[in-house]
Amino acid sequence: DVQMTQSPSSLSASVGDRVTITCRASQSIYTYLNWYQQKPGKAPKLLIYAASNLQSAVPSRFSGSGSGADFTLTISSLQPEDFATYYCQQSYSTPRTFGQGTKLEIK
Amino acid sequence: QVQLQESGPGLVKPSQTLSLTCTVSGGSIRSSDYYWSWVRQPPGKGPEWIGYIYYRGYSYSDPSLQSRAAISLDTSKNQFSLNLTSVTAADTAVYYCARVASVTKLDYWGQGALVTVSS
Repeated sequence: DVQMTQSPSSLSASVGDRVTITCRASQSIYTYLNWYQQKPGKAPKLLIYAASNLQSAVPSRFSGSGSGADFTLTISSLQPEDFATYYCQQSYSTPRTFGQGTKLEIK
Repeated sequence: QVQLQESGPGLVKPSQTLSLTCTVSGGSIRSSDYYWSWVRQPPGKGPEWIGYIYYRGYSYSDPSLQSRAAISLDTSKNQFSLNLTSVTAADTAVYYCARVASVTKLDYWGQGALVTVSS
């Protein structure tokens, strides 16, 4: 199975900050990498697919980059509604696997 | 707008079978463009992918579940289902159904159903 490791596990930031979350795969997954946002009590929401493609209706302050084994999710200017937990997920092979999550908290 | 809704018992006894159904509205599960997936999330942990099924009946489940998981389709009702046998407390989780687009991305999710395994 492909192991996905996110860093950091948690992050404190302020509204307006630029934030970057990293995801590393245990092998090359090319660009088969998705990012999800999850708020408490809600289902995950797809933000970025295929490493760098913005899902429909997702604000442009979210962006993704990377290929091979190393990926990043960047939020250019944090908004209050962005405080949530973020997960990466590889879709290169089965079983699909998720990272352990990065909890983004208000400083 | 596609919507998915999970349904099933919220409490299952150890060693019994967990059965959940996902009802899809606003789109057909017979579409050749999509797979249909189950994902679970134990309390306080990250999501875990269980498996998926295609409208032609092809399905795949995570081998780590040791063949306990089976995913099936009912095209007449626009539903797909999950059966998980021989459950233990470790199977306690919120279970989500989701649509898989381009074989790779989970683009629509149900609201989730909490299933607790306890005697």
